[in-house]
Amino acid sequence: EIVLTQSPATLSLSPGERATLSCGASQTVSRNYLAWYQQKPGLAPRLLIYDVFSRATGIPDRFSGSGSGTDFTLTISRLEPEDFAVYYCQQYVNSPLTFGGGTKVEIK
Amino acid sequence: QVQLVQSGAEVKKPGASVRVSCKASGYTFTGYYIHWVRQAPGQGLEWMGWINPKSGDTNYAQKFQGRVTMTRDTSISAAYMELSRLTSDDTAVYYCMRVPCIITSCPPLNWFDPWGQGTLVTVSS
Repeated sequence: EIVLTQSPATLSLSPGERATLSCGASQTVSRNYLAWYQQKPGLAPRLLIYDVFSRATGIPDRFSGSGSGTDFTLTISRLEPEDFAVYYCQQYVNSPLTFGGGTKVEIK
Repeated sequence: QVQLVQSGAEVKKPGASVRVSCKASGYTFTGYYIHWVRQAPGQGLEWMGWINPKSGDTNYAQKFQGRVTMTRDTSISAAYMELSRLTSDDTAVYYCMRVPCIITSCPPLNWFDPWGQGTLVTVSS
């Protein structure tokens, strides 16, 4: 099983600042099979990024994904008020599919 | 538009079973794998398995083997997840999700979009 570890657990930032979220994998995530989701309280997760780099339909370009192998990053270039939420990474290389524990981006 | 609508909240006693439904619209139901994930209160996301709505084939996470059953009814474009022998640890929001591409050209393991709205299952005596 591929274990995904997200850091930091909580990120306290102000609107307009840059957010850098990390996702580390216990084994190589090949074929760039890594996605990122955003979840707000009481709602289902929403797809942001798939295949490490590709933005989902309708996702603003302030969200970007990068990385390879075992180290991946989600960057939000300038935080908007609606970006404060919990973010999860997910690998789909092999079974079982796994998610990271999440990073909460909160208002400082 | 593509949409997954789940059944309402459930309260069950320990030892009982629960069945959650996921009704699809806006696309050909038999063309796309459906997965299920759960999220305990304040916790992360836990994958449970998938179903091929065309063939009925399933694949379950080892943790849930023997306790989960995923089925579908193609006549009404609905998928179901039944979990038996419930304990308080099964209290969670259960989500269904669709993979992005058609079965003939898409591996079952994939990213998910869209997601259903979630169904809260509470297990309490």
